[in-house]
Amino acid sequence: RKEVEQDPGPFNVPEGATVAFNCTYSNSASQSFFWYRQDCRKEPKLLMSVYSSGNEDGRFTAQLNRASQYISLLIRDSKLSDSATYLCVVKRTGNTGKLIFGQGTTLQVKP
Amino acid sequence: DVKVTQSSRYLVKRTGEKVFLECVQDMDHENMFWYRQDPGLGLRLIYFSYDVKMKEKGDIPEGYSVSREKKERFSLILESASTNQTSMYLCASSRLAGGLETQYFGPGTRLLVL
Repeated sequence: RKEVEQDPGPFNVPEGATVAFNCTYSNSASQSFFWYRQDCRKEPKLLMSVYSSGNEDGRFTAQLNRASQYISLLIRDSKLSDSATYLCVVKRTGNTGKLIFGQGTTLQVKP
Repeated sequence: DVKVTQSSRYLVKRTGEKVFLECVQDMDHENMFWYRQDPGLGLRLIYFSYDVKMKEKGDIPEGYSVSREKKERFSLILESASTNQTSMYLCASSRLAGGLETQYFGPGTRLLVL
């Protein structure tokens, strides 16, 4: 079983739709959580960190449920420019900065 | 602006060749990482380094070695390239700090081994 699991999709949604991605992680000692975004043939970039209380950044909302070991990303009012692969990322405990990446969920927003 | 650069965007090598992939970061980051990314498998950590001359194996180190002689530079070496090492290679760097430090990635090197 992979340490971080995501539904690979693809998710095909119309502009303006609300879409949610889910992610589960298996290591209960995981410390920090992130969503990264990767555009086609580009490098991953940090989208947002995920805080225990949940956090919002514009149209993006991230939630963490430590008891269920579950992370989510909600995108409201989807734009064409949101089309990308979204990577769920977990940091193991310790200070080495190692990250564990899910395989990513692909989103395609259609006009 | 953080900048992570990789020596080549595209590389074609023959089986058995020795291959060097170079990565340089300009933000004085302590941590540096090498990943490979393959369809359906996501990013997998090959090696990482948290200080000059220090290295740690990641999840898939077989067939690779690394060198970190200077803080800003982290090299990935394929001693004898094989076709199953055809992949996208991504370098990243981050600060040595607990918590929510961001990893910054280079643009990647697409390696084809024939």
